[in-house]
Amino acid sequence: DAGVIQSPRHEVTEMGQEVTLRCKPISGHNSLFWYRQTMMRGLELLIYFNNNVPIDDSGMPEDRFSAKMPNASFSTLKIQPSEPRDSAVYFCASSLDRYYGNTIYFGEGSWLTVV
Amino acid sequence: ELKVEQNPLFLSMQEGKNYTIYCNYSTTSDRLYWYRQDPGKSLESLFVLLSNGAVKQEGRLMASLDTKARLSTLHITAAVHDLSATYFCAVVTQGGSEKLVFGKGTKLTVNP
Repeated sequence: DAGVIQSPRHEVTEMGQEVTLRCKPISGHNSLFWYRQTMMRGLELLIYFNNNVPIDDSGMPEDRFSAKMPNASFSTLKIQPSEPRDSAVYFCASSLDRYYGNTIYFGEGSWLTVV
Repeated sequence: ELKVEQNPLFLSMQEGKNYTIYCNYSTTSDRLYWYRQDPGKSLESLFVLLSNGAVKQEGRLMASLDTKARLSTLHITAAVHDLSATYFCAVVTQGGSEKLVFGKGTKLTVNP
């Protein structure tokens, strides 16, 4: 299996621009998570989906962030407009049946720098 | 709100030595994960612990879970340089919408 696939791997953008991060979960997994990692705040859960439905988005920082999962094999995390404080590594992860004893697999991450 | 605390946050040890990383959490949970992260890399799953008293071992690493004490340990036996990495524990909240909450990580450096 190819694992969780994220794109882009690296992005540098100017403040105010729209950023779209993409994720393809492992085939057959029905839970998908978006995490953000920074030195200051560590790993934070932004949102998770189960069977393509957003279950909890309480970690989404503000209205500038939005996430969608139009089908079982694709999800996006969008930031509009982007700000320098959004600079972080964004990880997508997937698992079978949420957390019930199943391993949660992480993608390689999208390294975002907003200047 | 579930809080997950790891200690130590930084650990420098010599090859061949043993050490333990501790993970305490603040509210009831019966599911705990350990991950490894190398610099600039993704998170690699090491262990999933599902019940009180669970113990799992892989190579030089052994993880255990005590749900009554809300404590998990990651024991390193006879450390080698290749174990240098950051180790995270993560705990699933219970009730309502479940979330996986991560500790801040323990940066382990194994010196020759």
